[in-house]
Amino acid sequence: GNSVTQMEGPVTLSEEAFLTINCTYTATGYPSLFWYVQYPGEGLQLLLKATKADDKGSNKGFEATYRKETTSFHLEKGSVQVSDSAVYFCALAWRNTDKLIFGTGTRLQVFP
Amino acid sequence: DAGVIQSPRHEVTEMGQEVTLRCKPISGHNSLFWYRQTMMRGLELLIYFNNNVPIDDSGMPEDRFSAKMPNASFSTLKIQPSEPRDSAVYFCASSLRGAEKLFFGSGTQLSVL
Repeated sequence: GNSVTQMEGPVTLSEEAFLTINCTYTATGYPSLFWYVQYPGEGLQLLLKATKADDKGSNKGFEATYRKETTSFHLEKGSVQVSDSAVYFCALAWRNTDKLIFGTGTRLQVFP
Repeated sequence: DAGVIQSPRHEVTEMGQEVTLRCKPISGHNSLFWYRQTMMRGLELLIYFNNNVPIDDSGMPEDRFSAKMPNASFSTLKIQPSEPRDSAVYFCASSLRGAEKLFFGSGTQLSVL
């Protein structure tokens, strides 16, 4: 079936370090891919998305590239800040459907 | 806009009691989703509505769970009777166009003792 697999956390980094959170998916066809972020005590917010192969989504210094050949959508940021500490969720959805399937989430902790 | 509004923020109840969670989606959004978040299973889609009509309720755990959307500005998720394993954070989300961009509420933390 369709699923999303994320690296387990927590990911612990010092401020200004480089971030990679891995995400791979299993699906037939070409879904749209998303990264959502959940700050403590809040609901999820859309961070970025890509709707077709080789698309790059970007927002707030975060980037992810839709890689069809490796079925991946890894999240990267060149220099993390303490304020980036949150849980990050990779997700997929099919065009013309309303169903969004989430990964289990990866907690990021950034220390000064 | 105030965003998606959920109530209550916290609910503590005893096993066997009825629990009702409430959600007000963003005005103008036509899709509404109920998710459950636990440490063990992460985020699970329970049910979603399109134009107030339930489209997919395959994620609803069992008959103890029911959801309604009587109008475009209100939805409820009811658990009757509640059990300790229902303890979780329940999120409501709405969108203008399907799964393209969901806006989540702050969630209801449910504890069933």
